[in-house]
Amino acid sequence: QKEVEQNSGPLSVPEGAIASLNCTYSDRVSQSFFWYRQYSGKSPELIMSIYSNGDKEDGRFTAQLNKASQYVSLLIRDSQPSDSATYLCADRTGGGNKLTFGTGTQLKVEL
Amino acid sequence: SAVISQKPSRDICQRGTSLTIQCQVDSQVTMMFWYRQQPGQSLTLIATANQGSEATYESGFVIDKFPISRPNLTFSTLTVSNMSPEDSSIYLCSVDPFGQGETQYFGPGTRLLVL
Repeated sequence: QKEVEQNSGPLSVPEGAIASLNCTYSDRVSQSFFWYRQYSGKSPELIMSIYSNGDKEDGRFTAQLNKASQYVSLLIRDSQPSDSATYLCADRTGGGNKLTFGTGTQLKVEL
Repeated sequence: SAVISQKPSRDICQRGTSLTIQCQVDSQVTMMFWYRQQPGQSLTLIATANQGSEATYESGFVIDKFPISRPNLTFSTLTVSNMSPEDSSIYLCSVDPFGQGETQYFGPGTRLLVL
C-alpha cells in the first residue's frame, strides 16, 4: 500500500523562526505533491503544490521536493502564531486521480 | 477555487439509523470525493463520486454501507447506513475543478456522533 508519512509532532517554534515540516512517500511514480493546512475544527485548505525537483516559493512558504530521496518538505519563514495548525502532506497516488494524505504534523508557533 | 457547502454541519444519531450528507458546489466540477477523518487522524478517501455512474469505492468501503449519489455536476450525497459508534467521524466532500484529482478543495465537513 502506497503511503505518505509525517512526524505527528507537535513541532514547536518561536515566533519569527523558520518552521520545517517533512514528509516521505513510498510511491516512486508519484509526480505531484501537496501541502494542506488544517486549523482545529476546520477543513483542510490547499497552500502549496509542487511537481518538480527543487524549491517552489510562495510568500513565506517554500516547498522542496527531492524525488530521488522521496521526500517533500515545507518551510515557513517568519512563523506567526496564526500558522499554528496541522499540516497535511499528500501525493497524487500512482499517477491516478486521487490523493493519499499523511497523518499530518501539528505546528505550534509560540510567542 | 470552488465554494462548497455541506448539510448538515453536525448531527447526533442513534445506532442503527442512517444519515444522508449533502454536498453542494457553486460551479460544475468533474470530480467529487468523499473522505472520512476520524478523531485525531488524517483523511481517508471513501469514494470518488462519478456523475452518471456508480461511485468508485476505496478498499474497506462498500456501497451498501456508504451509498453515494451524483445526479449532476454540482451536487452529491453520501449516506452512512446502519450506523454504529465506530462511524463517529467528520465526513468531508472535496472537489477538483480541474478534473485531475490534484487540486482538491474541501467542504466544511459534517461532524457525526453516533450513540
